[in-house]
Amino acid sequence: DAGVIQSPRHEVTEMGQEVTLRCKPISGHNSLFWYRQTMMRGLELLIYFNNNVPIDDSGMPEDRFSAKMPNASFSTLKIQPSEPRDSAVYFCASSSPGLQSYEQYFGPGTRLTVT
Amino acid sequence: DAKTTQPTSMDCAEGRAANLPCNHSTISGNEYVYWYRQIHSQGPQYIIHGLKNNETNEMASLIITEDRKSSTLILPHATLRDTAVYYCTPRTSYGKLTFGQGTILTVHP
Repeated sequence: DAGVIQSPRHEVTEMGQEVTLRCKPISGHNSLFWYRQTMMRGLELLIYFNNNVPIDDSGMPEDRFSAKMPNASFSTLKIQPSEPRDSAVYFCASSSPGLQSYEQYFGPGTRLTVT
Repeated sequence: DAKTTQPTSMDCAEGRAANLPCNHSTISGNEYVYWYRQIHSQGPQYIIHGLKNNETNEMASLIITEDRKSSTLILPHATLRDTAVYYCTPRTSYGKLTFGQGTILTVHP
């Protein structure tokens, strides 16, 4: 398996633009998690899905952020409009309760820079 | 959500055991303790987890105190490639993890 796939790996955009980050979880995993990592705040959980349904979005910073999971093999995290403070590395992770250790597998991340 | 407290940084000599402590005094009875590490700018990588009993796998050992208020991750023979940020985190029944600031482990030659 190729692992969790995220695209793009790097994104540079101007303030006010819309940004869409994409994630393909590991096949067979039914839990998907979006995280944001910054030096100041560390690794924060933004939202997670179980069987394509959002379970907890309390970590989503504000209405400018939205996440969708239209099917088991694809999820998006959208920021509209983007602001410089959104600059961070965004990780997607997937998991399954069927795994013996129920661990999360993380993707390589998308490094977002908003100028 | 349960909170965890870890030392900001630790050093270890190559070939020696690295013992990384974590305090999780507010963990609830059904929450597992998970350990992950993050090497440079890569995504975090799972190491080991436990509920009540001590655990061992090919990467590390996990010692959990009887009252479950703290745990220690043991890397028995640290190598330079073990230099990373190590996170201790509780896991809820939904699989949710809450990462703290972690411990920066530096393994020296």
